Amino acid sequence: EDKVVQSPLSLVVHEGDTVTLNCSYEVTNFRSLLWYKQEKKAPTFLFMLTSSGIEKKSGRLSSILDKKELFSILNITATQTGDSAIYLCAVVGLVGAGGTSYGKLTFGQGTILTVHP
Amino acid sequence: DAGVTQSPTHLIKTRGQHVTLRCSPISGHKSVSWYQQVLGQGPQFIFQYYEKEERGRGNFPDRFSARQFPNYSSELNVNALLLGDSALYLCASSSLGRPNEQFFGPGTRLTVL
Repeated sequence: EDKVVQSPLSLVVHEGDTVTLNCSYEVTNFRSLLWYKQEKKAPTFLFMLTSSGIEKKSGRLSSILDKKELFSILNITATQTGDSAIYLCAVVGLVGAGGTSYGKLTFGQGTILTVHP
Repeated sequence: DAGVTQSPTHLIKTRGQHVTLRCSPISGHKSVSWYQQVLGQGPQFIFQYYEKEERGRGNFPDRFSARQFPNYSSELNVNALLLGDSALYLCASSSLGRPNEQFFGPGTRLTVL
């Protein structure tokens, strides 16, 4: 069974701190790893990672994937109160074969990040 | 462009009742997936539909069912509601060429009393 484990489960920091969120996974037929930010309701897409060692960057957020060791990290530098949210890691595994195959997302339990002013 | 829409936003039911949740995907997306997110946990996969056919099903009882219509919108039905069905139900859509990228709707918050 596919499995995604995130750590830490919760994190409390002050504005300006740098945080590193971890995601390890076990999945059959790995296709990609996704990071989402969830504030009130719908998770919003941050990054999709498919290749090892290539850093994805968007402003103060960056992420990298290690397909050999089966983990990914999400870094947030110079944190702001608006970064407070649940950060979800999900892995896409290909299920089935041929024309009926599909990508199935398996989520971790999330990391709750709280940034104090 | 409109994103994924879901209705209703909130719903309160009692044990034993049934519920129908609705989802409209992003225009041009033919695949819809449903997820259940219980408080404090990550979303759990329930179903995926593509071109009106069920492609995959998660580890949920038969009380959960879904369907997809010719316009690619979808319904999730839950019968004989239990207290444990209280959760945020999320719908996500994706396109054929980019199955890895799923875009989520705002969700329906279901409370079972």
